Amino acid sequence: GQNIDQPTEMTATEGAIVQINCTYQTSGFNGLFWYQQHAGEAPTFLSYNVLDGLEEKGRFSSFLSRSKGYSYLLLKELQMKDSASYLCAVRDSNYQLIWGAGTKLIIKP
Amino acid sequence: KAGVTQTPRYLIKTRGQQVTLSCSPISGHRSVSWYQQTPGQGLQFLFEYFSETQRNKGNFPGRFSGRQFSNSRSEMNVSTLELGDSALYLCASSLGQAYTEAFFGQGTRLTVV
Repeated sequence: GQNIDQPTEMTATEGAIVQINCTYQTSGFNGLFWYQQHAGEAPTFLSYNVLDGLEEKGRFSSFLSRSKGYSYLLLKELQMKDSASYLCAVRDSNYQLIWGAGTKLIIKP
Repeated sequence: KAGVTQTPRYLIKTRGQQVTLSCSPISGHRSVSWYQQTPGQGLQFLFEYFSETQRNKGNFPGRFSGRQFSNSRSEMNVSTLELGDSALYLCASSLGQAYTEAFFGQGTRLTVV
């Protein structure tokens, strides 16, 4: 079966750095996505990786290793507004998105 | 440009009834995907439409169906509602199948009583 694993919950301090990991086992691979979802709101796009390596976008970076079936989302200079759920999703060989259950990130002052 | 619009935002239905949810994608987007989101389960893929054709379908019973119109607007229908169908239903629009970014609507919160 297809599976996406990410930690259920993480806690970090305002101003710090946090890394959210995602491991996947899917039927084929056509890209990996990270989305942010605040409580009661729609998911919003953060990043897309299809090749190995690091993609940087402001305070957020995403890394992919296809050989290891592994990705991480790195958030720097954490702000209170970063408290949200972070969703990892992989597009499989049928171009269907397989989603992880999400990581709830709690930021403390 | 306008975002993805889902209607209605909230819905309360009784077991056994049927419901139709609507999704209007971003102008120019031809692909619409539907997801069910429940606490602890994450997003579960329902189906994807592109140019009025269903291209992908998730592992949901036949009570869940959908369609897409020529203007790319999409509807999903759930018949014979069960309590377990209570969830947030999200749609996402994108330019095409090999997109690098998809945009979600605010969702329809369905409660079955």
